[in-house]
Amino acid sequence: DAGITQSPRHKVTETGTPVTLRCHQTENHRYMYWYRQDPGHGLRLIHYSYGVKDTDKGEVSDGYSVSRSKTEDFLLTLESATSSQTSVYFCAINQVRDSVYGYTFGSGTRLTVV
Amino acid sequence: EDKVVQSPLSLVVHEGDTVTLNCSYEVTNFRSLLWYKQEKKAPTFLFMLTSSGIEKKSGRLSSILDKKEPFSILNITATQTGDSAIYLCASNQGGSEKLVFGKGTKLTVNP
Repeated sequence: DAGITQSPRHKVTETGTPVTLRCHQTENHRYMYWYRQDPGHGLRLIHYSYGVKDTDKGEVSDGYSVSRSKTEDFLLTLESATSSQTSVYFCAINQVRDSVYGYTFGSGTRLTVV
Repeated sequence: EDKVVQSPLSLVVHEGDTVTLNCSYEVTNFRSLLWYKQEKKAPTFLFMLTSSGIEKKSGRLSSILDKKEPFSILNITATQTGDSAIYLCASNQGGSEKLVFGKGTKLTVNP
């Protein structure tokens, strides 16, 4: 399976502080995504990237920024964390397996903003 | 606006039962419909269905894409407690590489 890791796995931070989450992949995939998952909302796309320095917004991008300076790393930054950003964050890559495209997800980061 | 709607939102069954999970989708430039299983951590890929591949099967799990209606079902036969999970349905948003997800169906299989 694709090597995709997220860090940190858990984080507690205070309101108003900046937070950066990291997604790292080892197989040179072009597309990378950040989603958040909340009860009652399912998975919602925050930002995605289609190459180095090529990023675009998803449906819930307010309050978030991203950067991709290398193929293998996709960073998500909460510029000034708010309690509404308490969530589980998943990174994903678009991977072909057995001639089929499908997302592969990282293990997630549980972020709590207090 | 592209959307994916799953039903029911939750379901409780007994081991050995057969369950059917539903997914309807409204997306432009349809490319594929995907099913994922999520236990305690990250979603894991189950199936992808396209207009040229409308039925998939793996063990006790199977999925069908209805070509006439924008609809898919996921069937699980002879359910086991290990099938307890959230099942997610997704489709390519606007024919792009982005996926739009339904809210999921939480399946609980009791012994």
